[in-house]
Amino acid sequence: GQQVMQIPQYQHVQEGEDFTTYCNSSTTLSNIQWYKQRPGGHPVFLIQLVKSGEVKKQKRLTFQFGEAKKNSSLHITATQTTDVGTYFCVTTSGTYKYIFGTGTRLKVLA
Amino acid sequence: NAGVTQTPKFRILKIGQSMTLQCTQDMNHNYMYWYRQDPGMGLKLIYYSVGAGITDKGEVPNGYNVSRSTTEDFPLRLELAAPSQTSVYFCASSPTVNYGYTFGSGTRLTVV
Repeated sequence: GQQVMQIPQYQHVQEGEDFTTYCNSSTTLSNIQWYKQRPGGHPVFLIQLVKSGEVKKQKRLTFQFGEAKKNSSLHITATQTTDVGTYFCVTTSGTYKYIFGTGTRLKVLA
Repeated sequence: NAGVTQTPKFRILKIGQSMTLQCTQDMNHNYMYWYRQDPGMGLKLIYYSVGAGITDKGEVPNGYNVSRSTTEDFPLRLELAAPSQTSVYFCASSPTVNYGYTFGSGTRLTVV
């Protein structure tokens, strides 16, 4: 079935540094969503990308969908301690099912 | 607007016991989902529903059952609990398939 791999699994950054997580698939994706899960919390929807080469920004977060629609990235500029959590990319498998990637756990050191 | 509400928040079960995890949403969403998340891992889809009366299996359905008699409610039933079912269970909903999920706050289940 559809699988997405995320790298890295873990990332520790100093507060103020940038952070990027990548989501890769061996097959073409119809769309991709990104979620953030704080420690002990539930996933929260951030954004959905649909078009080839699409770039969307939310304040310090920049989301990209690859030209071939096989990969995506989330970049955070100047991380803050509030960015701590696990970031998941999510894609569809079949018509109705969403499959979560393995996630990237971000720690921000003050 | 409560969103997605899950009860209970925590539960300890003994091996072989049964229980129902409740999930209700007040957003009139057609699509509802149950996921489990083991410690430090991603989310695995257990069951999903595209509308009242319609349910289907996800990646890890064994040991679970669901029903969807109304748009609002999507309970998850565990029969004969096993230690392997120790996990955090999340219910989610969305208005359509290509739309972000709204998650409940989760049920932390321990089977001993």
